[in-house]
Amino acid sequence: DIQMTQSPSSLSASVGDRVTITCRASQDIRSDLGWYQQKPGKAPKRLIYAASSLQSGVPSRFSGSGSGTEFTLTISSLQPEDFATYYCLQHNTYPRTFGQGTKVEIK
Amino acid sequence: EVQLLESGGSLVQPGGSLRLSCAASGFTFSNYAMSWVRQAPGKGLEWVSTVGSRGDLTYYADSVKGRFSISRDNSKNTLYLQMNSLRAGDTAVYHCVWGYFFDQWGQGTLVTVSS
Repeated sequence: DIQMTQSPSSLSASVGDRVTITCRASQDIRSDLGWYQQKPGKAPKRLIYAASSLQSGVPSRFSGSGSGTEFTLTISSLQPEDFATYYCLQHNTYPRTFGQGTKVEIK
Repeated sequence: EVQLLESGGSLVQPGGSLRLSCAASGFTFSNYAMSWVRQAPGKGLEWVSTVGSRGDLTYYADSVKGRFSISRDNSKNTLYLQMNSLRAGDTAVYHCVWGYFFDQWGQGTLVTVSS
């Protein structure tokens, strides 16, 4: 199985900060990765697909990069509505696997 | 607009069975793979199962293989998850997910396994 190691598990940041979250795959997954945002009690919402493509309707402050085994989600200027938990998901191989999640909290 | 509405979650005893349903609308259901993903209380996301667009290809997490069965009825635009031999560790919100690339998710239905 492909392991997705996501870091950090949590972070505290202020509005306006630049935030970076990383996912490392245990083997090459090309660009077969998505990033999701989840708020409490809500369904996950996809932000990025194919590692770096912005989902329609998602603000441009979100961006994704990487390929192979190392991937990054960046929020260029954190907004109040961005405080949530973020997950990566690889869809290169079965079983599909998620990162452990990163909880972004208010500093 | 894509809509996914899960139903069927409830409280069930260990060893019991349950069938979840997901009614889909807003897209051509028969053209897309569909999946179930679960989230235990306070925990992360766990992929459970995926079915191909025609229902002939199915994939399962090791944790549910042999106990759960995914299926679909393309004439009814509905996805199913038959869950047998339920355990306390299966307690979770179960989300229906549209697309091979996990494009969009339903709100989920809660399954609680407890005596």
